[in-house]
Amino acid sequence: DGGITQSPKYLFRKEGQNVTLSCEQNLNHDAMYWYRQDPGQGLRLIYYSQIVNDFQKGDIAEGYSVSREKKESFPLTVTSAQKNPTAFYLCASKPTGAFVSGANVLTFGAGSRLTVL
Amino acid sequence: DQQVKQNSPSLSVQEGRISILNCDYTNSMFDYFLWYKKYPAEGPTFLISISSIKDKNEDGRFTVFLNKSAKHLSLHIVPSQPGDSAVYFCAASSYSGGGADGLTFGKGTHLIIQP
Repeated sequence: DGGITQSPKYLFRKEGQNVTLSCEQNLNHDAMYWYRQDPGQGLRLIYYSQIVNDFQKGDIAEGYSVSREKKESFPLTVTSAQKNPTAFYLCASKPTGAFVSGANVLTFGAGSRLTVL
Repeated sequence: DQQVKQNSPSLSVQEGRISILNCDYTNSMFDYFLWYKKYPAEGPTFLISISSIKDKNEDGRFTVFLNKSAKHLSLHIVPSQPGDSAVYFCAASSYSGGGADGLTFGKGTHLIIQP
């Protein structure tokens, strides 16, 4: 079955450490996204990538970094510069292009919960 | 500045009755609207959407209404079932042409279906 796999499901980090969250999709989607969810805050966009080797900052990119070396993979690194990293992180993807079926709908992974100790 | 607003953090509805979830937006460039359903510790799942060229879209028990002049949309669930208990997010985009910009989400409404 096609879908988006995020790992790990749960991650604990000490202050000052960088951590990388994995996101892999086998949907052959061009665009991939990282969102952050905090209680009562909805989903906020961190970074997105429309194509391999290209990515754009979202609304809350500070303290995060990404790479897109392969179409299927879009890992997110939470750096020590992120002031409040404890949150639920969601990866998503979608196809792109006018008149492409499903081009307006994001498909999400199951999420990764990061807790800073 | 919040561009998509869901002003009710929670809503309690009796099983079998109609659930109405509301959403307002401020950005006139939005031309496509979606509703997602989310259970705790899971990713959101797509529920239903509507293009700005329509004012209603129906899919089984779920109907979304769009009032462009008021910049308001609503999701109706009828009849409500226990499995509908979840957080519902309203989302909007300005890329009905298939671009790559992300969706803008509201803060969500926690729907509780009471037996």
